[in-house]
Amino acid sequence: GESVGLHLPTLSVQEGDNSIINCAYSNSASDYFIWYKQESGKGPQFIIDIRSNMDKRQGQRVTVLLNKTVKHLSLQIAATQPGDSAVYFCAENKSGGSNYKLTFGKGTLLTVNP
Amino acid sequence: GAGVSQSPRYKVAKRGQDVALRCDPISGHVSLFWYQQALGQGPEFLTYFQNEAQLDKSGLPSDRFFAERPEGSVSTLKIQRTQQEDSAVYLCASSLVLPPLGGFGGYTFGSGTRLTVV
Repeated sequence: GESVGLHLPTLSVQEGDNSIINCAYSNSASDYFIWYKQESGKGPQFIIDIRSNMDKRQGQRVTVLLNKTVKHLSLQIAATQPGDSAVYFCAENKSGGSNYKLTFGKGTLLTVNP
Repeated sequence: GAGVSQSPRYKVAKRGQDVALRCDPISGHVSLFWYQQALGQGPEFLTYFQNEAQLDKSGLPSDRFFAERPEGSVSTLKIQRTQQEDSAVYLCASSLVLPPLGGFGGYTFGSGTRLTVV
């Protein structure tokens, strides 16, 4: 079926380390993949997105990698800080008639230890 | 305003009560979306407006759920005869243009309304 899921529900890292959050998807028709950060009591906050015709995109301290062969998406956070502690969701967007709709995975809770 | 504003932040309703949740999108944003987020889950799409037109309501769980945006700005999500399974955070998002034109950086979520049905 169509789904976006995550390999690990929780991830704990030391401050200053790099973090890698993974996501698997099953729908080959997805055109965009987006990473969101959600802090407690807040809505999802956009981090970075990547189109399906790319395999890597970099932002400030973050890198998203897309492997279409194995339908895998990852978010790398460099020099993780306590303020990065949150739930991270990957989401996908399918091209076509309902291209405004996002399908989210279940999320990974990232905890950064000082 | 600077962001998407939702009210109330918290709502406790007795089973069977009707509730109305409000969303003030970013000024000028044409597209408006409602999502439902159950505890420990990712948000799930409910409905989409372009200006005042509700173009997609395929995600609304039942006919007890109703959304409107009569003047193309503020939107209200109404849930009639609330049930315990309606307990969730209801998120509103808005976008100046219809994604994915320009990507999803401008698809902005509010902080949500946490609805608890007792």
